[in-house]
Amino acid sequence: GENVEQHPSTLSVQEGDSAVIKCTYSDSASNYFPWYKQELGKRPQLIIDIRSNVGEKKDQRIAVTLNKTAKHFSLHITETQPEDSAVYFCAAPANRGGADGLTFGKGTHLIIQP
Amino acid sequence: KAGVTQTPRYLIKTRGQQVTLSCSPISGHRSVSWYQQTPGQGLQFLFEYFSETQRNKGNFPGRFSGRQFSNSRSEMNVSTLELGDSALYLCASSPGLANTGELFFGEGSRLTVL
Repeated sequence: GENVEQHPSTLSVQEGDSAVIKCTYSDSASNYFPWYKQELGKRPQLIIDIRSNVGEKKDQRIAVTLNKTAKHFSLHITETQPEDSAVYFCAAPANRGGADGLTFGKGTHLIIQP
Repeated sequence: KAGVTQTPRYLIKTRGQQVTLSCSPISGHRSVSWYQQTPGQGLQFLFEYFSETQRNKGNFPGRFSGRQFSNSRSEMNVSTLELGDSALYLCASSPGLANTGELFFGEGSRLTVL
């Protein structure tokens, strides 16, 4: 299968609090899981990614965790700041009749309240 | 190093017409992927080209087609346009296959079908 489910679709948090976005995937052979951030009117940009040989990866205030058994991965943003307001997309490889591609979730609109 | 360039940036067409969009990848990148972005639907995969070969195709009708040239530049074509084809069309390039590493997105071509 090639479904990537992302939740929630909208997330509002107070500035300084943490935000967590979760994604599930269906293809157990998937081995690469990126997260993209898209600010209003701009192109999506990679913020962090994880490969299936590790369970967690951190980069300053952002981290990604991967649970291969449960087939889900999550984005964690700590000490949120106004510039974190954006739409975040998770993605996972998919197997389409033997040819892999990259499928994106539908996105999470993160709103940082002052 | 120049980024991914998409042309045209904006265009307006009427139902039944056809349109061709162009994408110039980052120099040295062999993969070009195309995505349709609409509000609420996120980034929907259209197709990926790698070394002039279509690697895979998303769940779009045959009216959507593409190709890649020997210099890795890619075009996508939509024939017999429908109102529902109005969207932002994003292309992304990567050195290797799209499911193996970072995608570099262009700014997109915004298509409006009247």
